[in-house]
Amino acid sequence: QVQLVESGGGVVQPGRSLRLSCAASGFTFSNYAMHWVRQAPGKGLEWVAVISYDGDNKYFADSVKGRFTISRDNSKNTLYLQMSSLRAEDTAVYYCAKEVPPGGYSDYWGQGTLVTVSS
Amino acid sequence: DIQMTQSPSTLSASVGDRVTITCRASQSISSWLAWYQQKPGKAPKLLISKASSLESGVPSRFSGSGSGTEFTLTITSLQPDDFATYYCQHYSTYPFSFGQGTKLEIK
Repeated sequence: QVQLVESGGGVVQPGRSLRLSCAASGFTFSNYAMHWVRQAPGKGLEWVAVISYDGDNKYFADSVKGRFTISRDNSKNTLYLQMSSLRAEDTAVYYCAKEVPPGGYSDYWGQGTLVTVSS
Repeated sequence: DIQMTQSPSTLSASVGDRVTITCRASQSISSWLAWYQQKPGKAPKLLISKASSLESGVPSRFSGSGSGTEFTLTITSLQPDDFATYYCQHYSTYPFSFGQGTKLEIK
């Protein structure tokens, strides 16, 4: 069965960096685009970024553009989100999600990992 | 960027009721719209894609309709398990975005 397991969350000071990982199993990871979506405490869902199946194409929300990067290692079935220059407003649960081709929505989501940006 | 607006933000209803949630896009997104259900502390669950296509395993009391800029999610005969928060999401062009959510509460 499809499983997505995020890790790497924690408490980080403003201005610092953090890398999240998402380990995928139960499907052919290298065939699917992958997304990151976040949810601030008590708030709604916010789409963050997407990476194509081969890693060649990446898109970001304006709120994270220039600060976050998305990457993947298809040999390790793992998705990454490198977050830098973190701000208090980046505090959220971060979910990775598998895209349904030919594009857009997600059928499987991880359980999320909490990132808290605080001094 | 395309903005998604849901209404109402909160909806109170009883078991057995029929409810409708509306989602409006700031510009046409054709039928590139999905609906998700989320319960506290859990990841979102996909209900509907392409505005009206029910996902496998989702009860038939859920239905979606619309195209262009206006969409609806309808739940007929509410069940206790349906009380949750619902989100629409467009996937027309990047950046994708979600509506702010509709919390369905027990009256």
